[in-house]
Amino acid sequence: QEQLVESGGGVVQPGRPLRLSCAASGFTFSYYAMHWVRQAPGKGLEWVALLSSDGFRNYYSNSMKGRFTISRDNSKNTLFLQMNSLRDEDTAVYYCARDVGLPQTTAFDLWGRGTLVIVSS
Amino acid sequence: SSELAQDPAVSVALGQTVRITCQGDSLRSYYASWYQQKPGQAPILVIYGKDNRPSGIPDRFSGSTSGDTASLTITGAQAEDEADYYCNSRDNGGTSHVVFGGGTKLTVL
Repeated sequence: QEQLVESGGGVVQPGRPLRLSCAASGFTFSYYAMHWVRQAPGKGLEWVALLSSDGFRNYYSNSMKGRFTISRDNSKNTLFLQMNSLRDEDTAVYYCARDVGLPQTTAFDLWGRGTLVIVSS
Repeated sequence: SSELAQDPAVSVALGQTVRITCQGDSLRSYYASWYQQKPGQAPILVIYGKDNRPSGIPDRFSGSTSGDTASLTITGAQAEDEADYYCNSRDNGGTSHVVFGGGTKLTVL
């Protein structure tokens, strides 16, 4: 079945980097734009970044632009999020999500279970 | 950038109809999508586009838009519908950014 599985979360000190991965299976990964979405403890959903299906167009939330980099390896069906200069406020569950790919619509029709990132000294 | 406003909490009696709203300028140009999230679980998509339900979503869930306000309607709410509901859409700022509403906690009484 279609599945997204995130990994790479953990406890990291402020200012340090961390790289998250999202392994896709059960569908043609290279057909879809992909997103990262995060959720701080007890808070709502926050969009992080978007990467086109071919990996050439990327977009970032203004609050994360310049620190985070989204990338993908379509040959390995994997999405990545490189996070640098981490801050306490980056503590969250990070989800990867698939874009349904319809015009005038941004909808995430497949989500992973998330990976928890805790930024703490 | 745009914002999407949702009521923080809404309640509904078992079996009754409830409407959850999402307001923002971007909804004049783009469709809202709606997600259900239960504690400790990832969100799931319940409505997207004009009024589309993914496979497996009960037909008691429906969506609509009027002007700058999108609505998620649950007709005949069930106990299992108690959850947080989030809307999102593309940002109205001429980019491909995405914006989420703050979420609505639905309580089924």
